[in-house]
Amino acid sequence: NAGVMQNPRHLVRRRGQEARLRCSPMKGHSHVYWYRQLPEEGLKFMVYLQKENIIDESGMPKERFSAEFPKEGPSILRIQQVVRGDSAAYFCASSLPGQGPGANVLTFGAGSRLTVL
Amino acid sequence: GQNIDQPTEMTATEGAIVQINCTYQTSGFNGLFWYQQHAGEAPTFLSYNVLDGLEEKGRFSSFLSRSKGYSYLLLKELQMKDSASYLCAVRVKDQAGTALIFGKGTTLSVSS
Repeated sequence: NAGVMQNPRHLVRRRGQEARLRCSPMKGHSHVYWYRQLPEEGLKFMVYLQKENIIDESGMPKERFSAEFPKEGPSILRIQQVVRGDSAAYFCASSLPGQGPGANVLTFGAGSRLTVL
Repeated sequence: GQNIDQPTEMTATEGAIVQINCTYQTSGFNGLFWYQQHAGEAPTFLSYNVLDGLEEKGRFSSFLSRSKGYSYLLLKELQMKDSASYLCAVRVKDQAGTALIFGKGTTLSVSS
């Protein structure tokens, strides 16, 4: 079991460019979550997706940020026209569907570290 | 709003016991989680409490009091490898798969 896979692990962009971060959930997990972590800050929830559906995007900035989880392929977090303030570690997590105890536990990927020059 | 508080930093020595506290004020409650995060790595799940009381798992235990909005993580027989950030998180909404709200984390430094 490969766990939650994120790529790229490190990404450098200049201001105004686009950043695309990818996340493949654990096998059998159909729920995906994206979090942002700034230095000295906690993990901030951004968006929660199931296959082809955005369930909760209350933590996502209204502009420049979007997320998808298509029927086939990884979930993608897209940041358009990046600014220096977007520099952070972006973590993806996944969980099981359903109501059982296992559905409560988020398994995290190793994160993608975005640096905006 | 949602508020989760935990100390920023703690220090301890090898072999000792340390207790990391977490208090929360949230609009709802459906479980409290503790995660461990080493620098530059993914957070890893440690424990989950949804009912009051103590959950023990090896050297780690977690306690919850829902009436007080309070939890603690107890680490026994500390080892150098326990130096990490410990994250307290609350599941707020009452439906499967809803996101966790995290505190800022407590950085624990274990010295010899």
